[in-house]
Amino acid sequence: QVQLVESGGGVVQPGGSLRLSCAASGFTFSSYGMHWVRQAPGKGLEWVAFIRYDGSNKYYADSVKGRFTISRDNSKNTLYLQMNSLRAEDTAVYYCAKDQQLERLFDYWGQGTLVTVSS
Amino acid sequence: EIVMTQSPATLSVSPGERATLSCRASQSVSSNLAWYQQKPGQAPRLLIYGASTRATGIPARFSGSGSGTEFTLTISSLQSEDFAVYYCQQYNNWPSLTFGGGTKVEIK
Repeated sequence: QVQLVESGGGVVQPGGSLRLSCAASGFTFSSYGMHWVRQAPGKGLEWVAFIRYDGSNKYYADSVKGRFTISRDNSKNTLYLQMNSLRAEDTAVYYCAKDQQLERLFDYWGQGTLVTVSS
Repeated sequence: EIVMTQSPATLSVSPGERATLSCRASQSVSSNLAWYQQKPGQAPRLLIYGASTRATGIPARFSGSGSGTEFTLTISSLQSEDFAVYYCQQYNNWPSLTFGGGTKVEIK
């Protein structure tokens, strides 16, 4: 069965950096696009970034463009999110999610990792 | 950016009753609309895509309808495990993907 396990969350000061990882199993990782979606405490869902199956194209929400970088290592079945210049408003649970492939929606999700940006 | 608006914010329903949730888009998204269920402390789960197609393993009591700007998620007979927050998401305006603010279905 599809499994997505995020790691790398924690507490970081404003302006700091953090790298999240998402280990994938139960499907052919190299054949699917992948997303990051976040959820601020007590709030709704916000799409963050997408990467094509081969890493050739990447897309970002305006709120993170220029600060976050999505990447993947298909040899390790792992998705990454490098987050720089972090702000208080980036505080959220970050989920990795598998792209349905036919459409840009999320058919499987990890359990999430919490990022807290605070001094 | 397409803004998705869900109503009501909270819906109080008794077990066994029908629940009707609404989602409105600020401009047409055709049928490119998905619904997700999220229980406390859990990740969201895909319920419906293409406005009306149930995802794998989703019970038949969940149904979706609508197109353009107006969409509805109906739960025909609420079970205890259905009390959760429900989100709609448009994927018509790629590379921008947006969610509604959510509807919490609570026990009456």
